[in-house]
Amino acid sequence: QITLKESGPTLVKPTQTLTLTCTFSGFSLTNNAVGVGWIRQPPGGALEWLALIYWDNDMRYSPSLKSRLTITRDTLKNQVVLTMTDVDPVDTATYYCAHRPAGSGFDVWGQGTVVTVSS
Amino acid sequence: EIVMTQSPATLSVSPGETATLSCRASQSVSTNLAWYQHKPGQTPRLLIYGASTRATGIPARFSGGGSGTEFTLTISSLQSEDFAVYYCQHYRDWLGTFGQGTKVEIK
Repeated sequence: QITLKESGPTLVKPTQTLTLTCTFSGFSLTNNAVGVGWIRQPPGGALEWLALIYWDNDMRYSPSLKSRLTITRDTLKNQVVLTMTDVDPVDTATYYCAHRPAGSGFDVWGQGTVVTVSS
Repeated sequence: EIVMTQSPATLSVSPGETATLSCRASQSVSTNLAWYQHKPGQTPRLLIYGASTRATGIPARFSGGGSGTEFTLTISSLQSEDFAVYYCQHYRDWLGTFGQGTKVEIK
């Protein structure tokens, strides 16, 4: 059974760096063509894809946020970490991590973690 | 950058009727297209991948079609639990951009 769980701060001040961790189980991020992604949803807004990291350590980013995002993995700890620099109140959202198998969309999602950016 | 555009923004449908949702890509994504259902307070649920393949456990009343730049999600005989927001997402070139969503509401 695949599970994912997000963790990180609930409140971040503007201009700070946000670090979120996705801890997963039930699969290995070294399996061929498997990926883990981050997606967010602002209050009342749409889903927005942020970043993906794949089994071969290939990393992909949303073009609009690429300059502020870094995604990394720890295959021994079964974790994926997303950092977002220079946060702003518009980055207030529920942040999800999700599993992406080969040739598919995100089939299993974490429960999400709410992040508020405010001074 | 590929932009995904969904229409309409809101669709009002009576239970038992059929809903047809559209998704357009600004460039061809072949069949690298997924559909999700999202209800308030829940995590998004994968419905369709590969443009037309139902994910595990998804009822047959959900069907996807299209390729290239034009895609549709059809929900036949709408049930009460189907009223939700639906998103398309492309995953060409190992990316993951979503559309802005279509809300299916009770008429």
